[in-house]
Amino acid sequence: EDQVTQSPEALRLQEGESSSLNCSYTVSGLRGLFWYRQDPGKGPEFLFTLYSAGEEKEKERLKATLTKKESFLHITAPKPEDSATYLCAVRNPNAGGTSYGKLTFGQGTILTVHP
Amino acid sequence: DTAVSQTPKYLVTQMGNDKSIKCEQNLGHDTMYWYKQDSKKFLKIMFSYNNKELIINETVPNRFSPKSPDKAHLNLHINSLELGDSAVYFCASSQDTTGGRSNQPQHFGDGTRLSIL
Repeated sequence: EDQVTQSPEALRLQEGESSSLNCSYTVSGLRGLFWYRQDPGKGPEFLFTLYSAGEEKEKERLKATLTKKESFLHITAPKPEDSATYLCAVRNPNAGGTSYGKLTFGQGTILTVHP
Repeated sequence: DTAVSQTPKYLVTQMGNDKSIKCEQNLGHDTMYWYKQDSKKFLKIMFSYNNKELIINETVPNRFSPKSPDKAHLNLHINSLELGDSAVYFCASSQDTTGGRSNQPQHFGDGTRLSIL
C-alpha cells in the first residue's frame, strides 16, 4: 500500500528563518508528487507537481525538490503569511484499480511563522 | 468566480439522519472526487467520477452514495449518519482526458464540515 509520511508534524519559525519540510513516500509507481497548501477552513491549494528525481520547482519563497524516496519543500526567509498546513501527495497510476490512479496524501506539516 | 463550490459549508445533524452534500465545478474538468479529512488532517479518497462514470470506489460504507448528474456536478448522499462520519468532506476536480495519463493537479473546494450529534 502507498504511504506518505511528512515531517515534522509542526514547525514554528521566526520571520526570515529558513527551513525545510520533508515528505517521504513509498509507492509502487509514481506519476507525480504534489505539494498543496491548506489554510484553516479552506481546501488545499495546489503549489507544485514534481515528476522525476532531480526535478526542482520554485514559487516565490518556496522551492520543492524530489529524490527517489522523498521530497523537500524549502522555505526561504518565510513571512507570517506563509503560515499554513503544507500537504504532500503522490499519484500512483497502478492504484485504485484503474489507469487513473489516485492521490495518497500525507498528514501534513503545520507551519507557523512568527513576526 | 468560484472554481469548485460545495454546499453546505457546515452541516450539523443527528445520528441516524440522511443528508446530502452538493459539489459543482466551473473549470470544465472531466473528473471529480470526494475526499474525507479526519481530525488528524489526513485526506483520504472516497470516490472518483470521470465523465459521469465511477472510476474509484474506495472501501467506504454503503451508506455513502455518490451521484454525478453531469460532468460539472458530483453529489454525496449519506444514509443513517453515524458519529464516526463527523469530518470535513472535500470535493475536487481535475482534467483527465488522456485516460489518466495526464498529470493535472486536482483543485479542491473549501469543504463541508459535518458534525453528528
